[in-house]
Amino acid sequence: DTGVSQDPRHKITKRGQNVTFRCDPISEHNRLYWYRQTLGQGPEFLTYFQNEAQLEKSRLLSDRFSAERPKGSFSTLEIQRTEQGDSAMYLCASSPTGGEPWYQETQYFGPGTRLLVL
Amino acid sequence: GQQVMQIPQYQHVQEGEDFTTYCNSSTTLSNIQWYKQRPGGHPVFLIQLVKSGEVKKQKRLTFQFGEAKKNSFLRITATQTTDVGTYFCALGRTALIFGKGTTLSVSS
Repeated sequence: DTGVSQDPRHKITKRGQNVTFRCDPISEHNRLYWYRQTLGQGPEFLTYFQNEAQLEKSRLLSDRFSAERPKGSFSTLEIQRTEQGDSAMYLCASSPTGGEPWYQETQYFGPGTRLLVL
Repeated sequence: GQQVMQIPQYQHVQEGEDFTTYCNSSTTLSNIQWYKQRPGGHPVFLIQLVKSGEVKKQKRLTFQFGEAKKNSFLRITATQTTDVGTYFCALGRTALIFGKGTTLSVSS
């Protein structure tokens, strides 16, 4: 296992279309996070899962955003009725549970999916 | 909610010079993490600080957490071209709050 993977790496869509991104975390990492990053900014937290449970979703940007992790392995992030303001890099990260606290709190980021909404 | 200010936003140095980025909060922090993002890349974890006044070193990188746990800095001594990128501090343990980052450029 070489790290967190995300698919697709790039997505161009037209305003109003729905898009879905996939994230495969590092094997045996129980926690999975989604962030959004726009140009010149740090990543902005969206939501996270511990196994299949979504523990924090209040930071999802609107009700057009939803995330799932049905079997506690890979996760999907869906954006419905995309808007031009949704154009950004969507990053996924994972972290292990167990071990020292610092180890559990280290987040390993994937390469991201760059979304462009026309 | 918690916020963190990171300065400077940009820094250009000559290779071999030192570089420092600062992270400041108005509230006491439980911990702070530092990440590096290379151009076109993704954030990579560097270190986590949790104790007041804590200092950690990684080769040419020195990280310090303030005594009041409201600020932190990252210093790189004798910068190299491989150090280019954006350095972020981040608060929290799961739902991380990132600063805006300091983008470092290095000319040889």
